[in-house]
Parts: sequence; C-alpha cells; structure tokens
Amino acid sequence: GESVGLHLPTLSVQEGDNSIINCAYSNSASDYFIWYKQESGKGPQFIIDIRSNMDKRQGQRVTVLLNKTVKHLSLQIAATQPGDSAVYFCAENRRNQGGKLIFGQGTELSVKP
Amino acid sequence: NAGVTQTPKFQVLKTGQSMTLQCAQDMNHNSMYWYRQDPGMGLRLIYYSASEGTTDKGEVPNGYNVSRLNKREFSLRLESAAPSQTSVYFCATDRARTDTQYFGPGTRLTVL
Repeated sequence: GESVGLHLPTLSVQEGDNSIINCAYSNSASDYFIWYKQESGKGPQFIIDIRSNMDKRQGQRVTVLLNKTVKHLSLQIAATQPGDSAVYFCAENRRNQGGKLIFGQGTELSVKP
Repeated sequence: NAGVTQTPKFQVLKTGQSMTLQCAQDMNHNSMYWYRQDPGMGLRLIYYSASEGTTDKGEVPNGYNVSRLNKREFSLRLESAAPSQTSVYFCATDRARTDTQYFGPGTRLTVL
C-alpha cells in the first residue's frame, strides 16, 4: 500500500524531557524522509531529513533514526521546550515516483511547563 | 529574502464564486506545488509544476486549475467554489522534484 502513518496522534511531555515521535512507512523503495514542524496558523517548516543510506542523523536538539528493516523512523527532540509545541509530520519522498511527497497525518506535541 | 509568500491570507467565498490564490518564491527554485490541508487528512497535493512551462495533476485536482506564470509565480484558481473546497491551501517549492520542499504560510479559504 501507499501510506506514511504516525503511531500516536498526540503526545504530551514535560518541559525539559526528551520527546520521541514515531512514523511508519510501507513503501520499501522509499529512500528519502523529511520531518516537518507545523505551528498553529503557519505552514510546515523543515526540521531535518535523512536518506536511506543512513540510520541516524543529528541536528540541533533533534535526531532522526531510520530503521529500514521494520520501515520505521522517529524524531527525537532533546530537552523539549514550550516552543516545540506543534504538529510534527513525517514525509516520504518517493524518488522512484518522480519525487512524490507523501505526508503522514501528524502528531501533535504538547509541552507542559 | 521572503522565501515563499502567499496571498491572500484569508478569504470567504459564496458557492459558485471564483478566485485565484497567488504564490511567489524568491528562492530560485524550479518546482512549485499546491496542497490543501484538511483536519485529519494531512496534506494532499492538488497540482504541481516541475519547471516553468509545465503543470501536472496531483492527488486531488478536480475543481482547480493552475498557471505557472513564470519561474517565481504559481497560481491556483477555483472557477466555481464549492463548500468542499473549504480548506487551508499551502504553496511549496523545491529545487527539483526530488528535493526538500519549503512551504508558504497558507491561505485559509471558507466557502459558504
């Protein structure tokens, strides 16, 4: 099938804790994945991406892990802050289909002070 | 450097009215896209333009038309708006069809 899905629609964490947002995909030929952050009333904002020849990629306070065996990726946010509250989308760029971008439905992250 | 801009930010239409949503980018990107975002549905591709002079249908093209006016601008037209087209519309761009897409701030459209 063609789907990129998120395991949980909402996630609530305490300020300062680490957050983990999960995403599953079904197309084994997918080779490029992107995480976006969308704050209320704004467009999706690029956070980090990872290609299929990598298992892990780190950015500023964020880490993306890719497990191709089980077709799963996750976004880890270290020391979560109130400004991290948003909806997070994983997206799969299907290069073998002309770069078609498939989005998951999103996980809403809520950070409690 | 404004990135991707969209106008208007908000719009209310009556059923049957027409309007054009505008998108412009100053990132010198080749590809441009129009998405709609509905609650619980994620982002769905309406139309895209891989390069200046070309346009192609996406996942949900019915009821829409597009124009790639030049490299910078990509417009979305609703000829006869319907309540089912109430949504938030996002324009996006990337250097090529296999690159990361960057999004505009969105247009919130309500059709009564």
